[in-house]
Amino acid sequence: RKEVEQDPGPFNVPEGATVAFNCTYSNSASQSFFWYRQDCRKEPKLLMSVYSSGNEDGRFTAQLNRASQYISLLIRDSKLSDSATYLCVVNTGTASKLTFGTGTRLQVTL
Amino acid sequence: EPEVTQTPSHQVTQMGQEVILRCVPISNHLYFYWYRQILGQKVEFLVSFYNNEISEKSEIFDDQFSVERPDGSNFTLKIRSTKLEDSAMYFCASTVRTSGGGVGFGPGTRLTVL
Repeated sequence: RKEVEQDPGPFNVPEGATVAFNCTYSNSASQSFFWYRQDCRKEPKLLMSVYSSGNEDGRFTAQLNRASQYISLLIRDSKLSDSATYLCVVNTGTASKLTFGTGTRLQVTL
Repeated sequence: EPEVTQTPSHQVTQMGQEVILRCVPISNHLYFYWYRQILGQKVEFLVSFYNNEISEKSEIFDDQFSVERPDGSNFTLKIRSTKLEDSAMYFCASTVRTSGGGVGFGPGTRLTVL
């Protein structure tokens, strides 16, 4: 089983749509969880941390279910500028080593 | 806002040559990392560095790789004898603490081995 698993997509959605991405992780000892965004040939950029209680940042909502080892990201009112690859990232707690999923590609169209 | 910087942005080298990739982490950060991303694949952890020594390394980080913090500001990754499969984007990252927060990545160095 992959350490962090994501649907690679692509997800093609019209502007204004709501889109959800899911991720599962295999290491139950994982301590911190993040969504990063990566544009083509650029570095990953932290989008948001993910907390057990769920958290929201503007149009973005992240959820964590530790029992199911499942993380989600919801994007409301999609913008063209949201087009990117969204990376599910897990910190296993050792010296902040991050384990990345392969990413889910989002393409927002007019 | 301070950022991690990396040089060069693109390095082309011949197989078997040594390369040194350079990074300047954010000044008050204590933990430093190298990650790599082969084209079309996921980002992979290479090594973490704290208090002037390696704290963790992956299976990828074999004897051909080494890291150094030569002068208190730069953080370097050396590949002694490059192979074709070393071609990738190499990202440097740093953080002030190891728990809770995500890390900030530099813009990367694209290494092409011919």
